[in-house]
Amino acid sequence: EAQVTQNPRYLITVTGKKLTVTCSQNMNHEYMSWYRQDPGLGLRQIYYSMNVEVTDKGDVPEGYKVSRKEKRNFPLILESPSPNQTSLYFCASSLLAEQETQYFGPGTRLLVL
Amino acid sequence: GEDVEQSLFLSVREGDSSVINCTYTDSSSTYLYWYKQEPGAGLQLLTYIFSNMDMKQDQRLTVLLNKKDKHLSLRIADTQTGDSAIYFCAESPFSSNTGKLIFGQGTTLQVKP
Repeated sequence: EAQVTQNPRYLITVTGKKLTVTCSQNMNHEYMSWYRQDPGLGLRQIYYSMNVEVTDKGDVPEGYKVSRKEKRNFPLILESPSPNQTSLYFCASSLLAEQETQYFGPGTRLLVL
Repeated sequence: GEDVEQSLFLSVREGDSSVINCTYTDSSSTYLYWYKQEPGAGLQLLTYIFSNMDMKQDQRLTVLLNKKDKHLSLRIADTQTGDSAIYFCAESPFSSNTGKLIFGQGTTLQVKP
C-alpha cells in the first residue's frame, strides 16, 4: 500500500531534550516536506527536500533540522525543543515538487513541557 | 504575497448541500486543492483543480474556480454526518518553485442529523 508513515504519532517531551520524528514513504517520491499545523494558522511548511541530499528552508524553519540521506526517509530533528514547538506535524511527499498530488502522513502530535 | 483565507465554521443539516469558500492571492498557482481532516486523523486529499479549469465534479463534490476573483469553492451535495471534518483549501504557487502548499486556516464543517 502506498503510504507516508510517521513515528512517533504522539510524543510528550521536556524543553531541551533532543528528539527526532521520522518520516518514510514507499512510493519512490523525490519530493518530501514537513509542515506544522497550529490552530487558526492552517499548515505552514518547515523544510522541504527536492531529492537526496537536497534540502531547503520553508516558511518556519527556526529550531528545526532535517536530513535526506536516502530517498525514502526525511527525518525532522528538534535539537533543543521549546514549548512553542508544541504542534501537530505532518510529513508529505510527491513524485516531483510540481506534482498535483501530495500525500500526507498521519501526523505527529508533539507536546513540549 | 501568499495568503489563503477561509471562513472558520459552517453548520448544515444532514441531506442539505454544503458550500465551503476560499480566497487566495497568488494568481500563479498551478493547482488548487481541497483536503479533509477528520478528528485525530491526517490530511486526506479530496480533490484538486488545475488552474485552467472552471469546474470539476467528482461524485458528491463540485469544485468551482473563479480565477478573476481568486475564489475557490467546494460544494458537497447531500451532506452526511460522516462529512463532519475540517476542510482545508490550499494553493500551489508556481512562483515559489518549492513545491510548497499554502493552506487556509481550515473550515470546520458540522453536520447536524
